Amino acid sequence: QSVLTQPPSVSAAPGQKVTISCSGSSSNIEDNYVSWYQQLPGTAPKLLIYDNNKRPSGIPDRFSGSNSGTSATLGITGLQTGDEADYYCGTWDSSLSAYVFGAGTKVTVL
Amino acid sequence: QVQLQESGPGLVKPSETLSLTCAVSGYSISSAYYWGWIRQPPGKGLEWIGSIYHSGSSIYNPSLKSRVTLSLDTSKNHFSLSLSSVTAADTAVYYCARHLGYSSGWGDYWGQGTLVTVSS
Repeated sequence: QSVLTQPPSVSAAPGQKVTISCSGSSSNIEDNYVSWYQQLPGTAPKLLIYDNNKRPSGIPDRFSGSNSGTSATLGITGLQTGDEADYYCGTWDSSLSAYVFGAGTKVTVL
Repeated sequence: QVQLQESGPGLVKPSETLSLTCAVSGYSISSAYYWGWIRQPPGKGLEWIGSIYHSGSSIYNPSLKSRVTLSLDTSKNHFSLSLSSVTAADTAVYYCARHLGYSSGWGDYWGQGTLVTVSS
């Protein structure tokens, strides 16, 4: 049972927008930076968003991150079939003294 | 371009020690950053195991701390994971990754992962 709560799945048609929530607490999301990762089937996680809302070089601006209090959100606009993957949020938990991940959200493009 | 590559036995017997190495190219591990290990049991989510700082100090997931040892070999530019007293629950794909701080700049480069199965 993760301390970061994500919806198991979200779906939308191509071209549409999806948002993935990551709900935590004052000891993790509210107090530390959040990162988001995309994991395509059979591959390693890939960093999409770091430090709450920054995109690494090469990540399109269709991907965005935001925080509000104890929750973080990943947004994906202009959904493409290639976006079908598992998405994880992650952050440091100051109470647990551990880096923690959400359980992951599967994005399906209808 | 920074690249990380895990290596080690794909099969470990119960109660024995799992040992993996992550070879880094394109960046000197002694310069900066934390160098970490993450695992993913088949069909499940990600779990952080621990990370070692470029200076040699380490931080561990409290749930695994008693069984984990991390080390750096700057001469070979690689870092290593030892996980003792393994059970079937330790069967997972093991990844290595780099991060800047406890939560900042986390996971900008990952290895491709290596599957370790614990079985007799």
